[in-house]
Amino acid sequence: QSVLTQPPSASGTPGQRVTISCSGSSSNIGSNTVNWYQQLPGTAPKLLIYSNNQRPSGVPDRFSGSKSGTSASLAISGLQSEDEADYYCAAWDDSLNVHVVFGGGTKLTVL
Amino acid sequence: QVQLVESGGGLVKPGGSLRLSCAASGFTFSDYYMSWIRQAPGKGLEWVSYISSSGSTIYYADSVKGRFTISRDNAKNSLYLQMNSLRAEDTAVYYCARVKTICSSTSCYQTDAFDIWGQGTMVTVSS
Repeated sequence: QSVLTQPPSASGTPGQRVTISCSGSSSNIGSNTVNWYQQLPGTAPKLLIYSNNQRPSGVPDRFSGSKSGTSASLAISGLQSEDEADYYCAAWDDSLNVHVVFGGGTKLTVL
Repeated sequence: QVQLVESGGGLVKPGGSLRLSCAASGFTFSDYYMSWIRQAPGKGLEWVSYISSSGSTIYYADSVKGRFTISRDNAKNSLYLQMNSLRAEDTAVYYCARVKTICSSTSCYQTDAFDIWGQGTMVTVSS
């Protein structure tokens, strides 16, 4: 059971806009920034969004992040086949002895 | 180019030990906080440990506290994870990752994001 809650799956057709949600609590998302990672099949995770809505250089602006209260969302517009991957949200957690927490991951399928 | 390369994984019996290494290149290793993150087969990501640039600040996940030790050698541009008393549930791909640092003209601060990841090394704990 992950500390951050994500839907296990999401899907969309090429060109569509999809969103992936991430729900937490006051000790993590509610008081810290959210980061998103993309993991293509058989590869290491890659930083996609940091500090809620910032894109590292090289990440297309089709990817965007937002946060409100104890929830966050990743939006992917103009969906492409190469976006098919697992997506994870993460945040620092201020609870005793808990530091970085991840969501369980969302498998995005491009139909 | 900026790169992290893990090594040291393998098959070990329950109760055994293993030492993972992560070789960094393409950036000033001593300026960056580092972390270990693992992923059990078919499962999600789990943060394991975190070390500051000087090694003076260290955190562990409760699941590994008292059994795993993170360390670094800035002269060798290397990060380590000593894993003792290994259990079946420690079976996973172990990734080393760099903590993203943002610098202005006057100072730098560490975010809580991991911006560079190694390819991972597989650890299997089984009799």
